[in-house]
This record gives sequence, structure tokens and C-alpha cells, in this order.
Amino acid sequence: GAVVSQHPSWVICKSGTSVKIECRSLDFQATTMFWYRQFPKQSLMLMATSNEGSKATYEQGVEKDKFLINHASLTLSTLTVTSAHPEDSSFYICSARDGGGIYGYTFGSGTRLTVV
Amino acid sequence: AQSVTQLDSHVSVSEGTPVLLRCNYSSSYSPSLFWYVQHPNKGLQLLLKYTSAATLVKGINGFEAEFKKSETSFHLTKPSAHMSDAAEYFCVVIGGNNAGNMLTFGGGTRLMVKP
Repeated sequence: GAVVSQHPSWVICKSGTSVKIECRSLDFQATTMFWYRQFPKQSLMLMATSNEGSKATYEQGVEKDKFLINHASLTLSTLTVTSAHPEDSSFYICSARDGGGIYGYTFGSGTRLTVV
Repeated sequence: AQSVTQLDSHVSVSEGTPVLLRCNYSSSYSPSLFWYVQHPNKGLQLLLKYTSAATLVKGINGFEAEFKKSETSFHLTKPSAHMSDAAEYFCVVIGGNNAGNMLTFGGGTRLMVKP
């Protein structure tokens, strides 16, 4: 089956620094990837959709300059949280969908970001 | 437009008793429906999915769900709960039209299993 690898699984950073989270599709080509944010005890909130080779589409209220998404290849998407603040602390999860829809939506294991 | 409502934010059962997690949806198109499970600080794992084939869908770990179009429901059940089933469960719908082929999540149901 399809596997999506997400790294790191957890990260602690200082306020003002930037953090990069990677999402890789290991055995299929992911033409579309999704980034979600999950607050404690809440459901997933879609932040943005990225298509390989084009700019990401951000959901309303998500700052595109703070959450930089790059999807330069069919197997890798990255989310960079720039100038992180404590309020950016959250659980971030990526999801990938292959172009043929064979595997549907496969989720990464998530990244716990803590900004101190 | 599409939406998903998980009717219970918390469900508590005793080990060995049946599990019922309720989900209702609305969609303008023939939907695809999924149930995912999330253990603490983990990603989401697919339990089962309905994509317009058999209305009774069997998934992993003994879970199953029945798609009822007349009731717009897709409730998740399991005959006998295990302690390892304690987790957060999400009902998810995809509307089916190409422009809106996006996942819509329910609010989640936290399942607690008592010994």
C-alpha cells in the first residue's frame, strides 16, 4: 500500500526561528499533497493544497508568508514555518494523493511542533 | 457543499462490549466516505472506506460501517471493544466532483475503553 513518510515527528524551536517539515511519498507519485493543522482535542484543519510544480493554494485565514509550502517533485512536499511563535505550536499532518487516485488519501505520521 | 457531523464527541464503553460511533454527512454529490483512527501524537490510519460499492464495508481491526443513503449516515461499529481501540476517530467525506475533491473532516469522536 501507499506510504507517506513525515519528518521530523517532533521538533522544539526558539521563537523567531524557522522550521521545515518534510512529507515524502515512498512508493507512489503524489501529484497533490495537503497540509493540515490540528489543535489539541480538535479535528484537522486544512491549511493548504500543493500541486507538484505549481504554487500552493492556501485556505482562508492561513498566512502564506508564514507557512511556506514547496512541492518541487512528485515525491516531496515541504512546509516551512517561518519566524515561529508560540502560537504556531501545534500538530501538523500532511496527506498525499496520487494522480490516479489508486491509493486515495494517505496521511503522514504527523509532526509535533513546540515553539518556546 | 459538504459537511460531516460526528454526533458524539466522546464515547465510553467497557472492554468486550459493542462500539458505535455515529456519523452523518451531507453532500451534493455521491460521496466517498472514510473512517480514520488517530492514536495520541500519531498520524491518521485508514480503517475503512465506502466508494459506491457494497453498502456494508468491512475494515481493519474488526471495524465495519454501513452506508445508509436514506439516513445520510455512515456509522462505525465493532462487536467487541479492545483496550487498544481507545483513540480518536474521524469520519471523512469526499464530495466526488472534480473541483471539490477535498476531504471534509468530522469533529472527531474520542473512544474510551474501560477495563
